[in-house]
This record gives sequence, C-alpha cells and structure tokens, in this order.
Amino acid sequence: SQQGEEDPQALSIQEGENATMNCSYKTSINNLQWYRQNSGRGLVHLILIRSNEREKHSGRLRVTLDTSKKSSSLLITASRAADTASYFCATGSMRFGAGTRLTVKP
Amino acid sequence: DTEVTQTPKHLVMGMTNKKSLKCEQHMGHRAMYWYKQKAKKPPELMFVYSYEKLSINESVPSRFSPECPNSSLLNLHLHALQPEDSALYLCASSQDLAASTDTQYFGPGTRLTVL
Repeated sequence: SQQGEEDPQALSIQEGENATMNCSYKTSINNLQWYRQNSGRGLVHLILIRSNEREKHSGRLRVTLDTSKKSSSLLITASRAADTASYFCATGSMRFGAGTRLTVKP
Repeated sequence: DTEVTQTPKHLVMGMTNKKSLKCEQHMGHRAMYWYKQKAKKPPELMFVYSYEKLSINESVPSRFSPECPNSSLLNLHLHALQPEDSALYLCASSQDLAASTDTQYFGPGTRLTVL
C-alpha cells in the first residue's frame, strides 16, 4: 500500500517560476525520498532526507521534512521546461505516493 | 555503470501466450524489484529479491512468476494474462534491501499490452 500522498495532483507553471510539491505520510519513517519520472519512463532518484534532518538541498532542489506533521515538501527553483515530469515521494524504499504531475510551460 | 536495462521495450501478447520480461544490472546490487505501473498512477510493488531469494511477494497473481537466475538478472515470466494486466513494468535495483538509506535505480520499463 502507498504510504506517501502528494499534493497537488497536478501543477502547471511558467518557466522561471518555483514549484512546490507536498507529501504526507502516515507511519514513522527512517528516511523519505523523492523521485522524478518523465512520461512513460523509469524513475530517477532525486534526493533522500533522513528522519533526523529538517532540510536538504541539491542544486535547484530543496526538500524539507517535518516528522511531527508527517510531511515533506519538494521545492524546485527557477523551473525549466525540462523539469516537466511526475514527482513521487517514497517512504522507505519501495512504496510511492500518488505523485504530482508538473508541467513547466516555456 | 549505473544502468538498469530492460528488454523488450514493448510487448504485445495474447491472453494465451507465454512471454518473459528481462532485467539486468551490473552495479553489484543485491536487491532487485519488479513494479507495475498503470497510466497516471504510481508504481506498485510486485516482488522483491534480496541476495537472489524472493523476499517480498505483494500477493501478486500466479500468472506472474518472477525468477532471479543470478545476482545481475531478474526475469518476470508471464502466462495467461488478462487485458487489465496491460501496464508499464518497471525493474529496479538497490545496493542492499536492509540498508535504511537504500536508493533504487530504475530501468526504462517494458510497456506491456495484453490483447
């Protein structure tokens, strides 16, 4: 069963804007991971945040984790058309949330 | 080499056919996974192999039969499938199932259509 649930389900923005996606989960976790999937292809790991971390950065990505609220957010800054994809959170390593479909318009 | 390969890319089969999906990785990973993904849905875990032994079976129907011949290969044998089994089948691998920070590497998937 899925443990992470993302919102919004779909997000459409203009190139250069920031995109924020949220993930909520139900049980305690050791870590939370974010993956990206381009249409009809495999998933690519983006970033992992451990349960004792509150924020992590990787390039234009910023992930926060609030274990008291059982939630995480993924911020993509200065978005590009190439960021158009579906984004999934995963708690543990095997179960994925519903995903957010991000469209970045040039 | 950080690549997971899957063959074939596309497969069309009838409900009476027997076919196999193949997955290969050469990263020395000891955990391998099969997922099924329907359109606009997240991947759903089907099977997990750890050190070539089946570790998790998510109550998958017996018409799907996994096999791990060696540490680099993972097969999914298909028999008597139903049209609702049409989906993208994804293979993934990770270093060790037991590691709390394990990251999965995914193949590009096999797009399966059952007629």
